[in-house]
Amino acid sequence: DAKTTQPPSMDCAEGRAANLPCNHSTISGNEYVYWYRQIHSQGPQYIIHGLKNNETNEMASLIITEDRKSSTLILPHATLRDTAVYYCFDQTGANNLFFGTGTRLTVIP
Amino acid sequence: DTGVSQDPRHKITKRGQNVTFRCDPISEHNRLYWYRQTLGQGPEFLTYFQNEAQLEKSRLLSDRFSAERPKGSFSTLEIQRTEQGDSAMYLCASSPRAISGDTQYFGPGTRLTVL
Repeated sequence: DAKTTQPPSMDCAEGRAANLPCNHSTISGNEYVYWYRQIHSQGPQYIIHGLKNNETNEMASLIITEDRKSSTLILPHATLRDTAVYYCFDQTGANNLFFGTGTRLTVIP
Repeated sequence: DTGVSQDPRHKITKRGQNVTFRCDPISEHNRLYWYRQTLGQGPEFLTYFQNEAQLEKSRLLSDRFSAERPKGSFSTLEIQRTEQGDSAMYLCASSPRAISGDTQYFGPGTRLTVL
């Protein structure tokens, strides 16, 4: 079963920042926070991951709270192509991923 | 393209037939995973390999399912005596090593339709 909690759906206006929250209530010390997304009919796509510090790459930024119990994925300027289901995980990465239902993000023109 | 590839992308078969899917991971990735995704649900783990050794199998992997990774490179997933409930997207992923912080990279999937 998925160990994280996410809202089922969110909308975001095109060009605005999309902030997707995730609760990691049972995260342990050696587990990373991972984010993936799945665009309709495609395989899941890795976005970003982090352990304790905030991270940024060409796709997104990841904010992890100090207690590591929650994280936020930030897409700084959402486009229509960012419409997808977004999944967060907390685990070591080497183990199989437990997908929950994720957050369905709809970017609105 | 050096990503994970899967073949075929689509497969339509009749109930009772056997099907085999292939996954080619990213070169030199030691771990290879299989997942299944049904309509409207997130992917569910089936099994994974560390090189050629199959280390874990989900309870979803009934005895009609078998997976191999004979030389630690590509992998095959076979479903025998297919049932309509086997209709799903079958996803393969690979990761470079078995350490914390590794990332799994997914292929495009094979969509199976059992008539």
